[in-house]
Amino acid sequence: LAKTTQPISMDSYEGQEVNITCSHNNIATNDYITWYQQFPSQGPRFIIQGYKTKVTNEVASLFIPADRKSSTLSLPRVSLSDTAVYYCLVGGASGGSYIPTFGRGTSLIVHP
Amino acid sequence: GAGVSQSPSNKVTEKGKDVELRCDPISGHTALYWYRQSLGQGLEFLIYFQGNSAPDKSGLPSDRFSAERTGGSVSTLTIQRTQQEDSAVYLCASSLAVAGAGEKLFFGSGTQLSVL
Repeated sequence: LAKTTQPISMDSYEGQEVNITCSHNNIATNDYITWYQQFPSQGPRFIIQGYKTKVTNEVASLFIPADRKSSTLSLPRVSLSDTAVYYCLVGGASGGSYIPTFGRGTSLIVHP
Repeated sequence: GAGVSQSPSNKVTEKGKDVELRCDPISGHTALYWYRQSLGQGLEFLIYFQGNSAPDKSGLPSDRFSAERTGGSVSTLTIQRTQQEDSAVYLCASSLAVAGAGEKLFFGSGTQLSVL
């Protein structure tokens, strides 16, 4: 399974753009890159997924370089409610034999 | 329901007692996962069900832990003779498990288990 490395914690301020980078040097050809967000006392919530280049939705953008050995989750103009733990996962194209592995994630704290 | 439902939301038990935790996945989701999360830690995989296949039990920490999934839907995680180190949040997730597409897990809110 591809292993991911991401910062343990990050701090930001309201209104700023936050970029969280995840390294996954041994990503497999058919692996997807998926990010989840977890608030205290809740289960993780899917926020974005991509395979290559750039993906954007109403919550975030995901940038994936050509070699796919890393990815960057971009949160535009964060607010206090974006304070959460963000997990980066790779894998998932096998359609039935994939067990998502969650590391400790990146704890993002947004300050007023 | 529209999402993954877990019950109870909180469970306090005494050391040595057995507990059962329930998970109702999203209708139509063939894959079901159990994880546990200790305070300040990441998610630890426990067990995985996919359709009618034999479950992947590789994450269960001891033989005191077991799980079943009836009719491809509801799942129950049972912990026998609970120990204080079993205290954690137990999370259930389900997904469509579509071949060739990236997996997206949908989680319940979890069961907070406290063993006194």
